[in-house]
Amino acid sequence: GENVEQHPSTLSVQEGDSAVIKCTYSDSASNYFPWYKQELGKRPQLIIDIRSNVGEKKDQRIAVTLNKTAKHFSLHITETQPEDSAVYFCAGGYQKVTFGTGTKLQVIP
Amino acid sequence: EAGVAQSPRYKIIEKRQSVAFWCNPISGHATLYWYQQILGQGPKLLIQFQNNGVVDDSQLPKDRFSAERLKGVDSTLKIQPAKLEDSAVYLCASSQSPPSTFFGQGTRLTVV
Repeated sequence: GENVEQHPSTLSVQEGDSAVIKCTYSDSASNYFPWYKQELGKRPQLIIDIRSNVGEKKDQRIAVTLNKTAKHFSLHITETQPEDSAVYFCAGGYQKVTFGTGTKLQVIP
Repeated sequence: EAGVAQSPRYKIIEKRQSVAFWCNPISGHATLYWYQQILGQGPKLLIQFQNNGVVDDSQLPKDRFSAERLKGVDSTLKIQPAKLEDSAVYLCASSQSPPSTFFGQGTRLTVV
């Protein structure tokens, strides 16, 4: 089955700086890669996703890149704000997704 | 649009007791998932339904966990008997076009 690895496990950035979270996947058949944000005690919320026929997707301050050859994808958050502080999960798969282990992002005001 | 509804939000039981969770997916979503999220980890898929049929239950501990979705809408997940290691948040999710998935608030289970 699919195996998704995520790095780093924790990330602290100053407000206004950029944050980058990286994931790798194992199954070349995977074609869908969503990113979820989970605030403490709340549900995972889909923030952006990308399909394998696209190399990059952007939505305001967040962007995701995908390198199918290397089997890795990344989340980029620019101009970080304190409300971006949360745990971020990457996931990948075909008909179902496998989640990474999460990155706890702390944005320091 | 209304989101995925789950109940209860919290449950505390003693080990060896049984417990059941309920989920109502987003209207029109044919695919329903149950995930287990242990503290500090990512969600782990337990079972996936397509309408009222099981698509994937490979990671469901079938000796103690069961799930059903009889009419292709609501679903229940049961644990009997519960173990200490079952303490986790149980997340229900649904999808209209898999694998794009939307989660419910979850049920936090504590087994003591």
